[in-house]
Amino acid sequence: DIQMTQSPSSMYASVGDTVTITCRASQSISSFLNWYQQKPGQAPKLLIYAASGLYNGVPSRFTASGSGTHFTLTISSLQPDDFATYYCQQSYSTPMYSFGQGTKVEIK
Amino acid sequence: QVQLVQSGAEVKKPGSSVKVSCKTSGFSFSSYSINWVRQAPGQGLEWMGGIVPIYGTPNSARKFQGRVTITADGSTSTAYMELNSLRSEDTAVYYCARLDRVSYYFDYWGQGTLVTVSS
Repeated sequence: DIQMTQSPSSMYASVGDTVTITCRASQSISSFLNWYQQKPGQAPKLLIYAASGLYNGVPSRFTASGSGTHFTLTISSLQPDDFATYYCQQSYSTPMYSFGQGTKVEIK
Repeated sequence: QVQLVQSGAEVKKPGSSVKVSCKTSGFSFSSYSINWVRQAPGQGLEWMGGIVPIYGTPNSARKFQGRVTITADGSTSTAYMELNSLRSEDTAVYYCARLDRVSYYFDYWGQGTLVTVSS
């Protein structure tokens, strides 16, 4: 099974900051990596697909990169609406999938 | 528009079973993979398994094999997830989610179903 590890588990940031979240896979997953945002009481929402593709309607301040085993999600000029928990998810081993443990971005 | 609407909250006793439904609309149900993801209180997302109705054979995470049954009813465009031998650690919100056929991401999600396991 492919294990996904995110870091940090949580972080504090201020409005306007740039934050970067890292996701590592236990084996190479090429670019089969997606990122989701989840707010309390809501289902996750897709932000990024295929490692760097911006999903429909997602603001351009969300960027992502990586391939193989190392991936990053960067949020530039953090907005109040961005305080949430972020998850990476691999789809390399389809039809089996797995998520990272999540990174909570909190207000400093 | 694409919609996934799940059944309501459940309270179950340890050792019993729960069956959660996910009624879909707005897309060709039979040809998309419908998956189940759960989230225990204060915890992360955990993929449980999925099914492509047109193929009928479900897949599940190793952790849940033997305890989870995922089915689909094409006549009602509804997917089901049944979890047996419930224990307190199964208390969670259970989500169904549609998998995009090209890039394999979960693009549409149900609203979630809270399952509480308590004696």
